Amino acid sequence: QSALTQPASVSGSPGQSITISCTGSSLDLGGYTYVSWYQQHPGKAPKLMIYDVNKRPSGVSNRFSGSKSGNTASLTISGLQAEDEADYYCNSYTTSSTPNWVFGGGTKLTVL
Amino acid sequence: QLQLQESGPGLVKPSETLSLTCTVSGGSISSISYYWGWIRQPPGKGLEWIGSVFYRGSTYYNPSLKSRVTISVDTSKNQFSLKLSSVTAADTAIFYCARIRGVPFDYWGQGTLVTVSS
Repeated sequence: QSALTQPASVSGSPGQSITISCTGSSLDLGGYTYVSWYQQHPGKAPKLMIYDVNKRPSGVSNRFSGSKSGNTASLTISGLQAEDEADYYCNSYTTSSTPNWVFGGGTKLTVL
Repeated sequence: QLQLQESGPGLVKPSETLSLTCTVSGGSISSISYYWGWIRQPPGKGLEWIGSVFYRGSTYYNPSLKSRVTISVDTSKNQFSLKLSSVTAADTAIFYCARIRGVPFDYWGQGTLVTVSS
């Protein structure tokens, strides 16, 4: 199965907003409202930041938001902070073969 | 607070079977609301879903690994397990266990590094 497609890297300055895209197909994120985003700092486990396209788990800053249009989902981080520097992964449900889960390749966010 | 903890050998020889267990504490694995899953991450690379299990035993596997993967659940011990057979160096990775609430993986273990080497 193919991973969802993310840019390898994005960068921004403190206070700015950045957006990370995640492109799939109608068999995965395009066909369902089941897109999740994870933040992973070096040496740490991933942390759920967004689920069901645009919902935030308790405790996640409202600077993080999600959206979807067609086969592309997006994660936006506003008011960029140094602590946001991390790897970000998107995730979706897919029925490309048997029902299963698929991740994007990951995006490295650098805060300049 | 729900916690997941991976355990198992950190070194496995090529062609052998990798075996890991995830112990769930602070909650029951026997919930109709959740699946439980395994994800791996080769050093310096991205996340790859391996497979998922429901407490009643039904499973879903990544098609690219399906011929080598078995995931099972032991509700009496509040654990679920992963077996990956015929391993090669390409299977060297950090292995995570996680709870799946519908689709998102909402709770993760800390991960355990498994190296395949003779």
